Amino acid sequence: AQKVTQAQTEISVVEKEDVTLDCVYETRDTTYYLFWYKQPPSGELVFLIRRNSFDEQNEISGRYSWNFQKSTSSFNFTITASQVVDSAVYFCALSERGSQGNLIFGKGTKLSVKP
Amino acid sequence: NAGVMQNPRHLVRRRGQEARLRCSPMKGHSHVYWYRQLPEEGLKFMVYLQKENIIDESGMPKERFSAEFPKEGPSILRIQQVVRGDSAAYFCASSPLRGSGLRTDTQYFGPGTRLTVL
Repeated sequence: AQKVTQAQTEISVVEKEDVTLDCVYETRDTTYYLFWYKQPPSGELVFLIRRNSFDEQNEISGRYSWNFQKSTSSFNFTITASQVVDSAVYFCALSERGSQGNLIFGKGTKLSVKP
Repeated sequence: NAGVMQNPRHLVRRRGQEARLRCSPMKGHSHVYWYRQLPEEGLKFMVYLQKENIIDESGMPKERFSAEFPKEGPSILRIQQVVRGDSAAYFCASSPLRGSGLRTDTQYFGPGTRLTVL
């Protein structure tokens, strides 16, 4: 069965610290897609990244980086030099080829960045 | 380019009333998904629609909930005879392509509708 696990419920860091949010997924499909979304206190969901199962190359976008490891079924997200504006709930999600594209979300990790 | 629009942003209903949530997808998008976020839970898929078609409603509760995406106008999620347990944030997402296989595309979310049932 498909599943996304974000074991860290809440993380608190001080500004400028690096922080890694973990995501572990389960799927029987060989073709699938992984996503990260950010939900700031205002409540909307903001798309951050999409990765397909063929591409294990890590990605960096400014202070954000993602580490995709098929061998451990993980898709971890690192924020370098965190800022107060990074405070939000971050969701990891999975979409399988065999589905209609429906996203299966983890329960989210609440990140608090203190000044 | 306007994003996904949802209205109302906040909706208060008394038990037994009907709630109607509207979603206008991004321009050029013809695929709409609805998700529900209950307190202390993650987001759960409810239904996937294309224009005039329900493609997948496997996440919809069997009773009181319905969804449509007419040829003209927004997608509507309707909840009849609301109960306190329906209080949640309801998110709509849209994508330009069918969510299947290599053509799966990114879903962009609206701001959500927060439903409170008194």
